Amino acid sequence: QKEVEQNSGPLSVPEGAIASLNCTYSDRGSQSFFWYRQYSGKSPELIMSIYSNGDKEDGRFTAQLNKASQYVSLLIRDSQPSDSATYLCAVVFRNKLVFGAGTILRVKS
Amino acid sequence: EPEVTQTPSHQVTQMGQEVILRCVPISNHLYFYWYRQILGQKVEFLVSFYNNEISEKSEIFDDQFSVERPDGSNFTLKIRSTKLEDSAMYFCASTLWEGEVYGYTFGSGTRLTVV
Repeated sequence: QKEVEQNSGPLSVPEGAIASLNCTYSDRGSQSFFWYRQYSGKSPELIMSIYSNGDKEDGRFTAQLNKASQYVSLLIRDSQPSDSATYLCAVVFRNKLVFGAGTILRVKS
Repeated sequence: EPEVTQTPSHQVTQMGQEVILRCVPISNHLYFYWYRQILGQKVEFLVSFYNNEISEKSEIFDDQFSVERPDGSNFTLKIRSTKLEDSAMYFCASTLWEGEVYGYTFGSGTRLTVV
């Protein structure tokens, strides 16, 4: 069983701070990694994808990948109350997404 | 922006009844998926579908479940005899190629409540 592990949180940060979310995965052969945001009762919404080692930036979001350590992270700069949600790390394994349990992020105004 | 559409948004059914959840994937997508999320738990893979056949299914996807693409646009999940533990959000997803490049687009989900 291929696993994706995340700290469940909640992670609380003040408005304007950087939120750092982490994820580890067990399948060394995985090549594609995604971060989804999920608001309560809603479907997962894709916010970032990353395929190569290093950093990938998109607006306030930066995804980081280290395949040697089997580690993916998401940084959210200038956190806003509207960023409060559950962040799901997902890894492609055999052409399907395997999700972590998610990290709850709370941004306090 | 293209969407994956799911109907109904909510479904309440009695234990033992059959339910059909419907999805319209993005029109040029080739791979289709069903996932479920029990309240408070992680999003779990149920089944993947490509070229009019199941390509993979999870342990959850037992003989009570079936999928079909009846008309080239709809993609359905049937639960033959619902149990209380089938209560969950069910998400349909689709992707153009093998997901690695284009990502997976999720529908808004169907909340199934079995009473």
